[in-house]
Amino acid sequence: AQSVTQLDSQVPVFEEAPVELRCNYSSSVSVYLFWYVQYPNQGLQLLLKYLSGSTLVESINGFEAEFNKSQTSFHLRKPSVHISDTAEYFCAVREMDSSYKLIFGSGTRLLVRP
Amino acid sequence: ETGVTQSPTHLIKTRGQQVTLRCSSQSGHNTVSWYQQALGQGPQFIFQYYREEENGRGNFPPRFSGLQFPNYSSELNVNALELDDSALYLCASSTSGGITDTQYFGPGTRLTVL
Repeated sequence: AQSVTQLDSQVPVFEEAPVELRCNYSSSVSVYLFWYVQYPNQGLQLLLKYLSGSTLVESINGFEAEFNKSQTSFHLRKPSVHISDTAEYFCAVREMDSSYKLIFGSGTRLLVRP
Repeated sequence: ETGVTQSPTHLIKTRGQQVTLRCSSQSGHNTVSWYQQALGQGPQFIFQYYREEENGRGNFPPRFSGLQFPNYSSELNVNALELDDSALYLCASSTSGGITDTQYFGPGTRLTVL
């Protein structure tokens, strides 16, 4: 069955340090991949997505993620985090034979400390 | 351009009652999806509406039902509330429900069932 695994429930990191949030998925068909961010008391905002083409995708605020088909992973990275990056990050997949639903992981809380 | 809005923000109900949650989609969007996000978990897909018809449903019982109106706003109805229905309910809209469409999320309605 399709599933998304985010092994780290919380990642504490100091400001200006690099960070990687891990995401692995399981699916019998090809997928599209997404990262969403949720700030406290807010809804989800799309951070970046992989649909096709280059396996490295970037967001406007310095995050990037790389699709690795052989390892079924889509890890999110940022070379230098800011306090304002503190939030919950959700990885999600949409299977190519299913147009309607996103399947989310359980989320990783990124806690940036000064 | 107005984003996705949801009402009410918070709601407290007792077990066995019925509840209606509302969502206004983003301008130009004709597809609405509903998700349930339990505390500490990722969102779970409930169902999607495209042009007033349900066109996809997740693993939720029939007491979860919905409507989409001609202006593409939507309602989520839950009958016979159970304690486990306590969650953040998220609405997301997209332009056509297509497989590469981005879903834009509202801020959610926090439902507490006592």
